Amino acid sequence: AQTVTQSQPEMSVQEAETVTLSCTYDTSESDYYLFWYKQPPSRQMILVIRQEAYKQQNATENRFSVNFQKAAKSFSLKISDSQLGDAAMYFCAYRDRTGANSKLTFGKGITLSVRP
Amino acid sequence: ETGVTQTPRHLVMGMTNKKSLKCEQHLGHNAMYWYKQSAKKPLELMFVYNFKEQTENNSVPSRFSPECPNSSHLFLHLHTLQPEDSALYLCASSQLTGRTEAFFGQGTRLTVV
Repeated sequence: AQTVTQSQPEMSVQEAETVTLSCTYDTSESDYYLFWYKQPPSRQMILVIRQEAYKQQNATENRFSVNFQKAAKSFSLKISDSQLGDAAMYFCAYRDRTGANSKLTFGKGITLSVRP
Repeated sequence: ETGVTQTPRHLVMGMTNKKSLKCEQHLGHNAMYWYKQSAKKPLELMFVYNFKEQTENNSVPSRFSPECPNSSHLFLHLHTLQPEDSALYLCASSQLTGRTEAFFGQGTRLTVV
């Protein structure tokens, strides 16, 4: 079974600084997707960024980028130029690429606070 | 707005009540999910429906009864719940192939008294 581990329960960053959120996962599959989701106090889970395991290039979306280390099964999220609106819970998630198993497996999440 | 709508947003019910949560998506997705999010615990997958067929039931107690009448609608029928069932219930949908990220509704905050 796949597992996703986020070992840091909380992190804090100064506004305009950079922060990295860690995630590791375990799977026996070679082809899969990885995601970072953001859940602000409004509770809406929003996709931040996705990575396909067959792609070596790290995904980027504006101020958000990932460091995907497939051999180490590590998938960290870097937030550059942090903004107050980035304060939220962040969840790392895994999904098999094959359509037969469509479920997302989530980590426990990390609460990110942004200091003004 | 993600295209997935959940109603109601808040629900308070007694342990002997029967209520239903509703989820609707207009994204053309063919998979829908119920997740439970309790304080201090990871997101727990409850049920998965692919093309209206239930493909996963993660040992959920029978007091939770899902229904998926079509690919756009998903219900969670609740009866004789316990206080420990109080949580945020999230619905999500996705495609099975192609772009596979899940889109979530805003959740129903359920309180069992």
